[in-house]
Amino acid sequence: EPEVTQTPSHQVTQMGQEVILRCVPISNHLYFYWYRQILGQKVEFLVSFYNNEISEKSEIFDDQFSVERPDGSNFTLKIRSTKLEDSAMYFCASTDRGSDYGYTFGSGTRLTVV
Amino acid sequence: AQSVTQPDIHITVSEGASLELRCNYSYGATPYLFWYVQSPGQGLQLLLKYFSGDTLVQGIKGFEAEFKRSQSSFNLRKPSVHWSDAAEYFCAVGAANRDDKIIFGKGTRLHILP
Repeated sequence: EPEVTQTPSHQVTQMGQEVILRCVPISNHLYFYWYRQILGQKVEFLVSFYNNEISEKSEIFDDQFSVERPDGSNFTLKIRSTKLEDSAMYFCASTDRGSDYGYTFGSGTRLTVV
Repeated sequence: AQSVTQPDIHITVSEGASLELRCNYSYGATPYLFWYVQSPGQGLQLLLKYFSGDTLVQGIKGFEAEFKRSQSSFNLRKPSVHWSDAAEYFCAVGAANRDDKIIFGKGTRLHILP
């Protein structure tokens, strides 16, 4: 079964540093997403991406965040200057518009900001 | 706006007992509904989804869910739980545009007594 792959699985960074979280969506999917889950809380939508541009973003997705699809396979989330409150699990997801609709999530990257 | 309510934060059942996890949604049009399961420190695994057709949906691991439009509910059931079912369960709703974000409930943590 196709998978969404996220790297790294765990990243520790110092406050103020830039981090890039990487995702490889399923190859024939066209819609890509980032979600965030602060420890013990629900999964929150951050941003959706289609046709090389952002489709929608939440209020969480401020100027510190950016997304990019630098090549045909990777989808990245960059946090420019990390804050303590950015510590969370970040999930990438992808989907298509086929009949078997259903997001496929990656296993997540746990980001710890110290 | 879409929203999902999971009224039970924690549920404890004995191994072998039946299970029902409640989910209510708010959405103006026909919703797309999902149940995901998350083991501690792990990613999100899709249990089942509903788009249209038969309102009783079968999923993996012996789970099923029933869509009841009149009650705006999509409750998850399992006739006999196993210790390995202990996890966090998230109900989610998606919009009619299949490329739109999905909104998660706050989750229900399931505990299993031996």
